[in-house]
Amino acid sequence: GNSVTQMEGPVTLSEEAFLTINCTYTATGYPSLFWYVQYPGEGLQLLLKATKADDKGSNKGFEATYRKETTSFHLEKGSVQVSDSAVYFCALDSGGGDDGLTFGKGTHLIIQP
Amino acid sequence: DAGVTQSPTHLIKTRGQHVTLRCSPISGHKSVSWYQQVLGQGPQFIFQYYEKEERGRGNFPDRFSARQFPNYSSELNVNALLLGDSALYLCASSVQPGQGAEQYFGPGTRLTVT
Repeated sequence: GNSVTQMEGPVTLSEEAFLTINCTYTATGYPSLFWYVQYPGEGLQLLLKATKADDKGSNKGFEATYRKETTSFHLEKGSVQVSDSAVYFCALDSGGGDDGLTFGKGTHLIIQP
Repeated sequence: DAGVTQSPTHLIKTRGQHVTLRCSPISGHKSVSWYQQVLGQGPQFIFQYYEKEERGRGNFPDRFSARQFPNYSSELNVNALLLGDSALYLCASSVQPGQGAEQYFGPGTRLTVT
């Protein structure tokens, strides 16, 4: 079956630091990959996605590259801000999408001023 | 434009009772999915509906059921509630189903079973 593994949190960084949140996956076929973000007190928001190998998704300064050879989709940002503090979820869908999204457990990111 | 809306926001039920949760998708979106998010975990897929037909079902017992109406809104029903059903229930909509489809989530309904 499908599964997503994310690095354990919380991850605490200082403002302007470089961010990497690791995500690896197991899936049948060739999945599409997503990063969602959940800000305190708010719902899940789609941050970025990639639908095929070597695609790079990007949004709001965040980037992630679909690496089929390492089955990874690591989230990166060059300079984080306090407002980036949130829980980040890596997710995938496959098999035509009828099985919904499979999510990782989430990584809580805390940015200190 | 309004996003995905869900009602109620919070709900407290007793073990053995039944609950109905409601979801209205973004205008123009014809597919609705339901997820369960237990505290500290990622959401788990329950159902996907498109054009009033069930397209997919996750690994949940038959106590969970859902339906989609002609206006594309949806209901999630849970019978014979257990303490373990306490969770945040999320609804997501997309223009249509399919791999790679962007799903937009509502704020969720927080269900507490006592």
